[in-house]
Amino acid sequence: KNEVEQSPQNLTAQEGEFITINCSYSVGISALHWLQQHPGGGIVSLFMLSSGKKKHGRLIATINIQEKHSSLHITASHPRDSAVYICAVSQLQGAQKLVFGQGTRLTINP
Amino acid sequence: DAGITQSPRHKVTETGTPVTLRCHQTENHRYMYWYRQDPGHGLRLIHYSYGVKDTDKGEVSDGYSVSRSKTEDFLLTLESATSSQTSVYFCAIRSAGNTIYFGEGSWLTVV
Repeated sequence: KNEVEQSPQNLTAQEGEFITINCSYSVGISALHWLQQHPGGGIVSLFMLSSGKKKHGRLIATINIQEKHSSLHITASHPRDSAVYICAVSQLQGAQKLVFGQGTRLTINP
Repeated sequence: DAGITQSPRHKVTETGTPVTLRCHQTENHRYMYWYRQDPGHGLRLIHYSYGVKDTDKGEVSDGYSVSRSKTEDFLLTLESATSSQTSVYFCAIRSAGNTIYFGEGSWLTVV
């Protein structure tokens, strides 16, 4: 079993829909990161969470430390939100190495 | 933006040749990482550094070596490139505030 599990692996929706991507982890963490990668592109950090909730524009990220679960929400989705969204956790020990989920490929159709 | 640049961005090389990828940062961050990204495997850690001359192995370090002689530069070397090392390589740094910043990636093809 992977230490970081994301669901769904693929998600297709219509423009305007509310999107939820889930991430569960099994290791002790110091922080959880949500990353975005457009096709052929670089990787951008969207959020870094250690507790609670953060919001940036139409994006909202939440984390429940007790349940070891995080969600990324996109409100009023738009085709430009089409990308791979990656959950990663910083491990508690050592150099706080990142452990990555497999990513969720999101496609928003106009 | 943490001022990370990777070079080269694209390279084609022959099997058996040495290859060095460079990651350069401008903001004196302590932690630097090299990852490779492959279909079906996601991002996997090759090596990381927690300071000048302080490096350690990640989960896929075989065939790779690294050096960090200056804070700003983290070099990844493929001693003798193989076709299995064809991949996209990403450098990353972790800021003091724990945010992760990635370089733009280096596409390496070994023929």
